[in-house]
Amino acid sequence: GAGVSQSPSNKVTEKGKDVELRCDPISGHTALYWYRQSLGQGLEFLIYFQGNSAPDKSGLPSDRFSAERTGGSVSTLTIQRTQQEDSAVYLCASSRTGKNTQYFGPGTRLLVL
Amino acid sequence: DQQVKQNSPSLSVQEGRISILNCDYTNSMFDYFLWYKKYPAEGPTFLISISSIKDKNEDGRFTVFLNKSAKHLSLHIVPSQPGDSAVYFCAASEENYGQNFVFGPGTRLSVLP
Repeated sequence: GAGVSQSPSNKVTEKGKDVELRCDPISGHTALYWYRQSLGQGLEFLIYFQGNSAPDKSGLPSDRFSAERTGGSVSTLTIQRTQQEDSAVYLCASSRTGKNTQYFGPGTRLLVL
Repeated sequence: DQQVKQNSPSLSVQEGRISILNCDYTNSMFDYFLWYKKYPAEGPTFLISISSIKDKNEDGRFTVFLNKSAKHLSLHIVPSQPGDSAVYFCAASEENYGQNFVFGPGTRLSVLP
């Protein structure tokens, strides 16, 4: 595709349920990033992939958060036992290598009731 | 502790005038800086970057200035246009340390016609 795509665009879930967010990076981009933006806050780094491996998971806020990337392409971010404070926009970005400009997807708006 | 700060949450400028968006950082190891623009309901889009070996980078109406000794950078937009109204994020990274880009909280720019 022409850009980074994310699905779903919006997700409403009940507290305690698991959610899975998907990111399709730009074809050929080896680096993939997940961020989240809570209401009124800046972008918070969550995790970075180079290929299928995640050299930097330092931003994952708790062990309820996990992410994987397969085939050096699609990535999924999973939040288990969601809490209300998980409500945010989750943004994915990709870049050709880890040292290039990041291109962002439109985000997934997650609301935990 | 925020490593990247944008102390002005909002800024209003008259069309045609110069917009100056400021960013301060605390980590002296940061040596690569980017500015992103974000419209509502869209992901951030890359605007301009600067490496620490430079003190200025210019691209059309956008110029970024870096003052390493002051740990300060600024984005100048001249002339400002109504379409520039968006949230602007400053981001920083250490070239040699992973790819953890640290984002500031953003400044909302409103360009008034």
